[in-house]
Amino acid sequence: EAGVVQSPRYKIIEKKQPVAFWCNPISGHNTLYWYRQNLGQGPELLIRYENEEAVDDSQLPKDRFSAERLKGVDSTLKIQPAELGDSAVYLCASSSGGAQETQYFGPGTRLLVL
Amino acid sequence: GESVGLHLPTLSVQEGDNSIINCAYSNSASDYFIWYKQESGKGPQFIIDIRSNMDKRQGQRVTVLLNKTVKHLSLQIAATQPGDSAVYFCAENNDMRFGAGTRLTVKP
Repeated sequence: EAGVVQSPRYKIIEKKQPVAFWCNPISGHNTLYWYRQNLGQGPELLIRYENEEAVDDSQLPKDRFSAERLKGVDSTLKIQPAELGDSAVYLCASSSGGAQETQYFGPGTRLLVL
Repeated sequence: GESVGLHLPTLSVQEGDNSIINCAYSNSASDYFIWYKQESGKGPQFIIDIRSNMDKRQGQRVTVLLNKTVKHLSLQIAATQPGDSAVYFCAENNDMRFGAGTRLTVKP
């Protein structure tokens, strides 16, 4: 069974440019998470989806970050415009149902903003 | 505020020794905890979990202990191998909070 797929794996952009990350969760997983992981730190939750509904986006910086999961499967996370401090690894995870189930993580997208 | 944290940022052990990685949490409402292993360039990988109605859970070479009285959990790795070298995170799944992680280095 394929795991969580993310693309691109690496992205280098100049500040003020837009950037988008894509995630394909494990088949059948209703819950999808986006995390940001800064160097030397643990992942920080940005947003959690149950199917196509964002049930927790309290930590998402809404002035520049947006996310969507239109059909309840794939998801995209966008930053516009990117700032230097957005350089981090963006991780996507999925689980079969709810917050009490094991999350399976993708390899992440490493973003560098110059 | 509530937090999940780890006592030590680094741990170095000799191959074959047992490793113990500790984690403290402060949210008394937390009832589900997970340990993850993260190797360089990869996403966190599930190791073992424990629910608050348990004190101990064992897996293959790993054991998680939960002490709700002092809000502490630990990950024990038996007969540590070089492949165990990684950063280990504890997480509680109510607020989706991760600790900063402990880097385990196994010396051959």
